[in-house]
Amino acid sequence: DSGVTQTPKHLITATGQRVTLRCSPRSGDLSVYWYQQSLDQGLQFLIQYYNGEERAKGNILERFSAQQFPDLHSELNLSSLELGDSALYFCASSALGSGGWYNEQFFGPGTRLTVL
Amino acid sequence: EDQVTQSPEALRLQEGESSSLNCSYTVSGLRGLFWYRQDPGKGPEFLFTLYSAGEEKEKERLKATLTKKESFLHITAPKPEDSATYLCAVQAKAAGNKLTFGGGTRVLVKP
Repeated sequence: DSGVTQTPKHLITATGQRVTLRCSPRSGDLSVYWYQQSLDQGLQFLIQYYNGEERAKGNILERFSAQQFPDLHSELNLSSLELGDSALYFCASSALGSGGWYNEQFFGPGTRLTVL
Repeated sequence: EDQVTQSPEALRLQEGESSSLNCSYTVSGLRGLFWYRQDPGKGPEFLFTLYSAGEEKEKERLKATLTKKESFLHITAPKPEDSATYLCAVQAKAAGNKLTFGGGTRVLVKP
């Protein structure tokens, strides 16, 4: 158990819909990352937040957005869903190490999204 | 653009048959190289971080090494419970703190 929690575990929805995925980081970690894992693309970085502020952006679609709340939990919002958005979505968290770099990332169990 | 290539894609081993997984990378200034283990349908589990060429880390039957262009994950006398996908990722100094992952190596250890 990494200490990172994600809900829900599974989500089945239809094209065009909007869903929200939730993540709680490990105790004490201020940084949260979101990743998408699909069979053809592997594990892809989407976005990073640190203490409520966006820090880095990867290949995140404009239909997707995220935020980190004052209690440090984070939500990933996916809208206008398409069949190709079906994937595993992982949240990870890390602590700030020395020199301003972030330590290793610890991953949650993921949310499996199926778009029908 | 940072790139990570893992080989082989899949590896079938007999229990006790040692082997090595390769992770080749191109990155503009490596900050760290990470190894993770992932079981089907689960989140990646952190194994090692390597920071500089020549560094080695060990954990049970696993040993990770790093050169300037690649990293190896050696599995010594594997057991069936070592069956998993092993992922390698790099963190570049110029790319903030995101991890760029390779495609992984699926390892199956047969008893």
